[in-house]
Amino acid sequence: NAGVMQNPRHLVRRRGQEARLRCSPMKGHSHVYWYRQLPEEGLKFMVYLQKENIIDESGMPKERFSAEFPKEGPSILRIQQVVRGDSAAYFCASSPGGFRDTEQYFGPGTRLTVT
Amino acid sequence: SQKIEQNSEALNIQEGKTATLTCNYTNYSPAYLQWYRQDPGRGPVFLLLIRENEKEKRKERLKVTFDTTLKQSLFHITASQPADSATYLCALNQAGTALIFGKGTTLSVSS
Repeated sequence: NAGVMQNPRHLVRRRGQEARLRCSPMKGHSHVYWYRQLPEEGLKFMVYLQKENIIDESGMPKERFSAEFPKEGPSILRIQQVVRGDSAAYFCASSPGGFRDTEQYFGPGTRLTVT
Repeated sequence: SQKIEQNSEALNIQEGKTATLTCNYTNYSPAYLQWYRQDPGRGPVFLLLIRENEKEKRKERLKVTFDTTLKQSLFHITASQPADSATYLCALNQAGTALIFGKGTTLSVSS
């Protein structure tokens, strides 16, 4: 059973370009979370999605960032007009249910570098 | 909002000793607390979950305690090995199912 898959693993973008990060959850998991890890910082929650729905986006910056989890295909985190401060590791996690006592399974992350 | 502190950024111990990592939290008391391991360049890996009505939980060489009065969890690795060297993250739910993570404690086990 394949784990959580993320691609690309590394992404380089110039300031002002768009970054698109993809996440395929574990088989059977319909709950996806996105986290960001800045250098020397802890993991920070960004957004929680179920199929076709955004459940909690309280950690998402109000501008330039968006996320979706369509009925078919991977979840996508989109960052428009990237700036240097967006350089970070972005992790996706999935879980089989939306319960607080459920562990989350993380992907290997996408390392975004903005030049 | 909830705040988590892992009071040691780094911990160095010798092989065979017990490593003890501390996680303190503020504000409301969570019903569950989780511990994850993260290796360089990789995503976190779930280790243990402990509920507020569980004082202690064990898994092989790992032991977690949860003191809701002190608002503290302790994570122990007994008979530590160099392969245990990694960053260990404490996490809990603030509201809903999203996790709030501490910054982690980097454990180095020397042979």
